[in-house]
Amino acid sequence: DTAVSQTPKYLVTQMGNDKSIKCEQNLGHDTMYWYKQDSKKFLKIMFSYNNKELIINETVPNRFSPKSPDKAHLNLHINSLELGDSAVYFCASSPREGGSPLHFGNGTRLTVT
Amino acid sequence: GESVGLHLPTLSVQEGDNSIINCAYSNSASDYFIWYKQESGKGPQFIIDIRSNMDKRQGQRVTVLLNKTVKHLSLQIAATQPGDSAVYFCARAGGYNKLIFGAGTRLAVHP
Repeated sequence: DTAVSQTPKYLVTQMGNDKSIKCEQNLGHDTMYWYKQDSKKFLKIMFSYNNKELIINETVPNRFSPKSPDKAHLNLHINSLELGDSAVYFCASSPREGGSPLHFGNGTRLTVT
Repeated sequence: GESVGLHLPTLSVQEGDNSIINCAYSNSASDYFIWYKQESGKGPQFIIDIRSNMDKRQGQRVTVLLNKTVKHLSLQIAATQPGDSAVYFCARAGGYNKLIFGAGTRLAVHP
């Protein structure tokens, strides 16, 4: 009964490849997010979608393209992977846009070699 | 600019002692604050939140204090247990529920 689930948990790939991370939430939330956590544990928002519409795009390179086929799913596709993309990527969801806690998945550790 | 930061990167406590984790923020327009706990290999887990119209909020063994005058937030954990060992983050809700996170404090609980 995992609330926010991401796949895969680990992803190791070479520079220049294209990869996708999938996220699904079964909480009935309208808003979903992608966060990036670097090697120093710093968490930074990348994207936010509300009911399939893009709300936040935090100056992320356009190699990163989120896609929300429905409000329960928010996938992240990354083109032409670079070494600096290595990080842990977290998906999250919340019931509404403001003033509510986010529920996070357990992350996808991406390693680009 | 907007920032949320923590005073102590690492905090070591004895089991049974109380822990206090501090956080400072710079944006006075902040109206919602959250504390998260992150265990190794897992995502951040919600602990407690507080809105700007409150100074204090209590949960089970945890208390959050908000001092808007000095823009300071703290998390108090009573009778700290080994299971409390984790990285703790404070976060401020920005527009569209964007959470701006602090750098994190690692809490190490020793028997």
